[in-house]
Amino acid sequence: EAQVTQNPRYLITVTGKKLTVTCSQNMNHEYMSWYRQDPGLGLRQIYYSMNVEVTDKGDVPEGYKVSRKEKRNFPLILESPSPNQTSLYFCASSFYPQGGGGANVLTFGAGSRLTVL
Amino acid sequence: GDSVTQMEGPVTLSEEAFLTINCTYTATGYPSLFWYVQYPGEGLQLLLKATKADDKGSNKGFEATYRKETTSFHLEKGSVQVSDSAVYFCALSSLKGGNQFYFGTGTSLTVIP
Repeated sequence: EAQVTQNPRYLITVTGKKLTVTCSQNMNHEYMSWYRQDPGLGLRQIYYSMNVEVTDKGDVPEGYKVSRKEKRNFPLILESPSPNQTSLYFCASSFYPQGGGGANVLTFGAGSRLTVL
Repeated sequence: GDSVTQMEGPVTLSEEAFLTINCTYTATGYPSLFWYVQYPGEGLQLLLKATKADDKGSNKGFEATYRKETTSFHLEKGSVQVSDSAVYFCALSSLKGGNQFYFGTGTSLTVIP
């Protein structure tokens, strides 16, 4: 089954304790992205990657790191989590559109709910 | 920069009522437009899409038309069901700046029997 898998689904941690949220897709997608969802703010993009070893900042990258060493994996790293990073996180992937236009539909993971105390 | 503005919720409707959720966008160039739906406890999934002006996206009884002149992509359904209760997100994608996606804040819909 084509899917994006995130782990863990739920995590409670404490301020300053490094954590990694993993994301893996089995669709051979070039493009992968991380979002956070907060009430009243919708989804905001944290980082995205257009292919292996190519990553770029989204709208809210502060406090996060990513890496793209393999096409299928795109982990999100919080080096020193703080309470304002308590949120629901989504990983998503798509094919990168060829040429102009084209609807590059995102496939989302089920989400990872993170609480930082 | 590019952005999406959608109708604030929450919206509560009776079964079989008509639904409209407004969405307008700001973008340079020619973005693709989407509606995604999020059921409780799940990730977002594509509901429908449109890639150019005057395109109509449709799926599961929902429709939205890409209106360039009014920069809008309103979601409509003629007769909602309890199973349509979810959060709906309007979104656009733009190749400007490297394949960026922009989402609205989401509109929560509850349909009561």
